Amino acid sequence: SQQGEEDPQALSIQEGENATMNCSYKTSINNLQWYRQNSGRGLVHLILIRSNEREKHSGRLRVTLDTSKKSSSLLITASRAADTASYFCATVLDRDDKIIFGKGTRLHILP
Amino acid sequence: EPEVTQTPSHQVTQMGQEVILRCVPISNHLYFYWYRQILGQKVEFLVSFYNNEISEKSEIFDDQFSVERPDGSNFTLKIRSTKLEDSAMYFCASSEAIGTGTYEQYFGPGTRLTVT
Repeated sequence: SQQGEEDPQALSIQEGENATMNCSYKTSINNLQWYRQNSGRGLVHLILIRSNEREKHSGRLRVTLDTSKKSSSLLITASRAADTASYFCATVLDRDDKIIFGKGTRLHILP
Repeated sequence: EPEVTQTPSHQVTQMGQEVILRCVPISNHLYFYWYRQILGQKVEFLVSFYNNEISEKSEIFDDQFSVERPDGSNFTLKIRSTKLEDSAMYFCASSEAIGTGTYEQYFGPGTRLTVT
């Protein structure tokens, strides 16, 4: 797998349900971030989790990080139509500062 | 809340022309970045810039590309002779510091470049 690879590539769920997106990466990281992008628009930073952290919450978002499995998950609870977007996992390696993005998960919330 | 701004929002140019994409980073930030996203693909790192010089560049950032901080506020990306494959969304980002890589990079809204 590439550094920062999301799964699934696309996800459709009913409004009100929870959405879970996963990310796997290859090499040791300093931190992992999740971004949202509405179609053709800019990147919105959602949450950053450091390598020594296991879980973070922000509103309806919950991010977990398992460094032993080199994986992370993003959970959006009680989804809304406005959550429809692409979600990107992004990693920053140790002794580095550039962000390496995955290909993203396209989330579609059905009314 | 301070934000990164980019101009123009959309630039259309003919193949072979030079383009300059402009960014105004957050005022107290010291590290600046350009990323690009070809339509339907992932966001890719182009270059990082600190203390008036390039810190790191990717293999995408070839001799056709250059960056400059011409004054105390602007950060520009120049493409000397555009190609069709340069069509993409270009994102500028800035951060307060690096060191441990835990400083958040703040992204601008992007400039959509269309090369015809």
